[in-house]
Amino acid sequence: GAVVSQHPSWVICKSGTSVKIECRSLDFQATTMFWYRQFPKQSLMLMATSNEGSKATYEQGVEKDKFLINHASLTLSTLTVTSAHPEDSSFYICSASTSRNYGYTFGSGTRLTVV
Amino acid sequence: GQNIDQPTEMTATEGAIVQINCTYQTSGFNGLFWYQQHAGEAPTFLSYNVLDGLEEKGRFSSFLSRSKGYSYLLLKELQMKDSASYLCAVFSGGYQKVTFGTGTKLQVIP
Repeated sequence: GAVVSQHPSWVICKSGTSVKIECRSLDFQATTMFWYRQFPKQSLMLMATSNEGSKATYEQGVEKDKFLINHASLTLSTLTVTSAHPEDSSFYICSASTSRNYGYTFGSGTRLTVV
Repeated sequence: GQNIDQPTEMTATEGAIVQINCTYQTSGFNGLFWYQQHAGEAPTFLSYNVLDGLEEKGRFSSFLSRSKGYSYLLLKELQMKDSASYLCAVFSGGYQKVTFGTGTKLQVIP
């Protein structure tokens, strides 16, 4: 089956620094990748949708300059949280889909803590 | 916009049956997912309904009524490990966009 690898699983960083999270599709080509954020006891909130080779589409209220998304290949998308603040502490999850079967697979998630 | 409603919490007894409801209002509806999410983990896929009716998969079944904007997830022979959040998610639009409900936290008690 389709596997999505997300790295790192958890990261602690200082306020003002940047953190990069990687999302890789291991055995399929992901034409579209999605990035979600989940605060404690809340559901997944879509942050942005990215298609390989084009700019990401951000949801309303998500700062594109703060959450940089790069989808440079059909197997890799990255989310960079720039100038991190404690309120950015959250669980970030990516998911990937293919145009072939509209399968929708999640990565294992990244727990970001900004101190 | 989209609106997806689920009960916040439910409690059920081990061995019993529980039904988790989801109602939605959306444009460009393509299908509805159910996911299971244990605390601190990523969601795992349970089911995907496109057409009206009931789809059964082992102890889990999912029902969809497109005309009513309604779905439910049925869990039979509940086990303690079924304690988790269950997320209803609507797939709509041309860019395969999936929008999640707030989730239902299910607690299975002995």
